[in-house]
Amino acid sequence: EVELVQSGVEVKKPGESLRISCQYSEYNLMSYWIGWVRQMPGKGLEWMGIIYPGDSDARYSPSFQGQVTISVDKSISTAYLQWSTLKASDTAKYYCVKSMVSLGVVDFWGQGTLVIVSS
Amino acid sequence: EIVLTQSPDFQSVTPNETVTITCRASQSIGDNLHWYQQKPDQSPTLLIKFASQSISGVPSRFSGSRSGTDFTLTINNLEAEDVATYYCHQTSRFPSTFGRGTKVEIK
Repeated sequence: EVELVQSGVEVKKPGESLRISCQYSEYNLMSYWIGWVRQMPGKGLEWMGIIYPGDSDARYSPSFQGQVTISVDKSISTAYLQWSTLKASDTAKYYCVKSMVSLGVVDFWGQGTLVIVSS
Repeated sequence: EIVLTQSPDFQSVTPNETVTITCRASQSIGDNLHWYQQKPDQSPTLLIKFASQSISGVPSRFSGSRSGTDFTLTINNLEAEDVATYYCHQTSRFPSTFGRGTKVEIK
């Protein structure tokens, strides 16, 4: 069974850095991609980017390119989403998701990580 | 970027009624359109993939169809547990994009 377990709530100040995590379970030894989706308070879903744990090949939506970094540590089955300089507008819930291909249907969602950026 | 225009934004329905949600793509995306359900304070879950393919464990009252660049999610005999926001999602062209969502409530 697939499991995506995300790190907990983060409360940060503008200008601070942050890295949130998503621990994924192996799934029948098949390869898959781990992505990130943003949901701002009371708003819809936005696809941010995705990474292939096998070789760390990462793809970003143009809206998020340069704003965040997606990475993975295959040795501990964990994907990361990080910011070097947080802004208040980064306040949102971030979902870790699984797809079989880089541009594919999301067949499983993590529980989400709430990030609050406030002075 | 492909824009998905969902309608309506909100729908209030009595139990056992049929709900129809539409998602129109700004250009041709084939069948690369999927539907998700997000119940209040929960993560989204996959309802329908590739326009009309059913998902194991999803009640049969949920169905999807396509006509050109217009996609429809139909919920037959709405139940109280179907209160949620529904999103369409295209995976035809990079970047992947979502519709703005349709909130379904019970009257």
